[in-house]
Amino acid sequence: NAGVTQTPKFQVLKTGQSMTLQCAQDMNHNSMYWYRQDPGMGLRLIYYSASEGTTDKGEVPNGYNVSRLNKREFSLRLESAAPSQTSVYFCASSEGPNQPQHFGDGTRLSIL
Amino acid sequence: DQQVKQNSPSLSVQEGRISILNCDYTNSMFDYFLWYKKYPAEGPTFLISISSIKDKNEDGRFTVFLNKSAKHLSLHIVPSQPGDSAVYFCAARGSNYKLTFGKGTLLTVNP
Repeated sequence: NAGVTQTPKFQVLKTGQSMTLQCAQDMNHNSMYWYRQDPGMGLRLIYYSASEGTTDKGEVPNGYNVSRLNKREFSLRLESAAPSQTSVYFCASSEGPNQPQHFGDGTRLSIL
Repeated sequence: DQQVKQNSPSLSVQEGRISILNCDYTNSMFDYFLWYKKYPAEGPTFLISISSIKDKNEDGRFTVFLNKSAKHLSLHIVPSQPGDSAVYFCAARGSNYKLTFGKGTLLTVNP
């Protein structure tokens, strides 16, 4: 009963390095999302994919790219990491864009 | 500018009593509201939701109330249990289906 699986769980990067965060869901959901959560803040949407083959920007897309590889997988890429991108990243999925979202356990990313 | 506000960073209640978590919003286009619960080192878990056409929705010990004129919703937990101790996030959905989250309220239920 995996649900939404994120890898890695923890990562430390140096400024300027690149990194891809992986997300996979086994619930046959159509929509997938990437959020970041910073201390004292709510979750902020980075990018989302309403259905396979589509991606759209969320509230804070700068510095990130995404790929909806197939229906199950949605990856988030940092091309040139910056300390401001230190955060906890959550992936989520839902049956459709107007259904409740199910979250993974997060990737804790530190950029030095 | 925060469109979804949870003005109480924390709340402490005794086991068995009622917990009331509050949320205010500013965008009148929001049409669907959700509450999520989050334990440390885990992702948020969907708890309960309400459509803007309703003013109340119940699920077991959890009830969400919506006051559209006041742009206010609340989550009631009765009776509160120690296992309910977590951070609770209010979220609202706009016309583009994107969710906007509040900053969360840390609920502590004392035995």
